[in-house]
Amino acid sequence: DTEVTQTPKHLVMGMTNKKSLKCEQHMGHRAMYWYKQKAKKPPELMFVYSYEKLSINESVPSRFSPECPNSSLLNLHLHALQPEDSALYLCASSPDAETQYFGPGTRLLVL
Amino acid sequence: QKEVEQNSGPLSVPEGAIASLNCTYSDRVSQSFFWYRQYSGKSPELIMSIYSNGDKEDGRFTAQLNKASQYVSLLIRDSQPSDSATYLCAVNSQSGGSYIPTFGRGTSLIVHP
Repeated sequence: DTEVTQTPKHLVMGMTNKKSLKCEQHMGHRAMYWYKQKAKKPPELMFVYSYEKLSINESVPSRFSPECPNSSLLNLHLHALQPEDSALYLCASSPDAETQYFGPGTRLLVL
Repeated sequence: QKEVEQNSGPLSVPEGAIASLNCTYSDRVSQSFFWYRQYSGKSPELIMSIYSNGDKEDGRFTAQLNKASQYVSLLIRDSQPSDSATYLCAVNSQSGGSYIPTFGRGTSLIVHP
């Protein structure tokens, strides 16, 4: 298995909802990442997990809560989001904490 | 604030020509550099990585790195319409025991038949 998978592909949620994004890789990669990407902008790093421990948190609001249950799985829990949080959420994994392999993304719309 | 600069384009080249994409970065101690291709509505896909000064070739793609000038480029030979996409330059900077990638805004490439 040589890919990063993300579910769901699309998500629509209200500002009072709680939802979760899921990311999975079975390549034995040691590092996993969450990014947010708005239209015509580059990906913005949110969180980095290295060996299942949170190593980087780029001052992300607490309404985004990451979780790494095991070395293959990464979740992003969403609560009380704002319409400006609507974006493409990308997960990536890395075998060497440098080269990034991206999943297809979850397109999130907050109403 | 570490910065990675790219011309947003669009860069328009005819089919079969060489496309030249450029990137400059501000962090002098950066050691690893990447080019990603992103088609509209899709996620970024790794094309090339380069770590040492000079050229690195992979098929129709050549990455060039000049650390003294803080400059990295990507050449695409024999450009095809399927190469039309946004090309993102990424530079890694070390922070503690981790690497933090900084992406440029991307250059939009259009290859016309």
